[in-house]
Amino acid sequence: AQSVSQHNHHVILSEAASLELGCNYSYGGTVNLFWYVQYPGQHLQLLLKYFSGDPLVKGIKGFEAEFIKSKFSFNLRKPSVQWSDTAEYFCAVTLNQGGKLIFGQGTELSVKP
Amino acid sequence: GAGVSQSPSNKVTEKGKDVELRCDPISGHTALYWYRQSLGQGLEFLIYFQGNSAPDKSGLPSDRFSAERTGGSVSTLTIQRTQQEDSAVYLCASSLDTGYNQPQHFGDGTRLSIL
Repeated sequence: AQSVSQHNHHVILSEAASLELGCNYSYGGTVNLFWYVQYPGQHLQLLLKYFSGDPLVKGIKGFEAEFIKSKFSFNLRKPSVQWSDTAEYFCAVTLNQGGKLIFGQGTELSVKP
Repeated sequence: GAGVSQSPSNKVTEKGKDVELRCDPISGHTALYWYRQSLGQGLEFLIYFQGNSAPDKSGLPSDRFSAERTGGSVSTLTIQRTQQEDSAVYLCASSLDTGYNQPQHFGDGTRLSIL
């Protein structure tokens, strides 16, 4: 069955540190890739998405992600985190033509001021 | 504009009771999805509706779970004879359609607690 793996369950960083959250998926066909963020007490929000084209995609709040097809990966990066980035981050995919999202387990990010 | 609206925001009920959860999608969105977020299971797909097509029910965990979408807008997720393992946050999302380039917009969820 198709699945999404996020390697880090909980990441703790100091402000200004660089961030990279890992995401791998298992599916040999066409995928559409997403990162969602859930700030404390808020609903899930879309950070960025990849469908095709340039494998390096930029999202909101300075986040970016790189799709590496050969590695089945879509890692999320940010050069310098802020306290306000404290949240849970979810990687997700849809297959082929879209439809339901398949989520990873999520990574909780805590940024210390 | 208004986002996806879910009600109630919290629901506490006794084991064995039936519950109904409501989702009001963004106006004009033809696709509507239900997910469940629980400790240990993460975010799981339950069911989705696209226009007048038959819903994709492949994620429903048992026949105690059902959902309907009347008039192509509001949806109700029903759980019959609730069990403690049904405790979770139930999330609804909508998108313009199920096309690959249409992001899903999520509501705040209904936190369901089964005593």
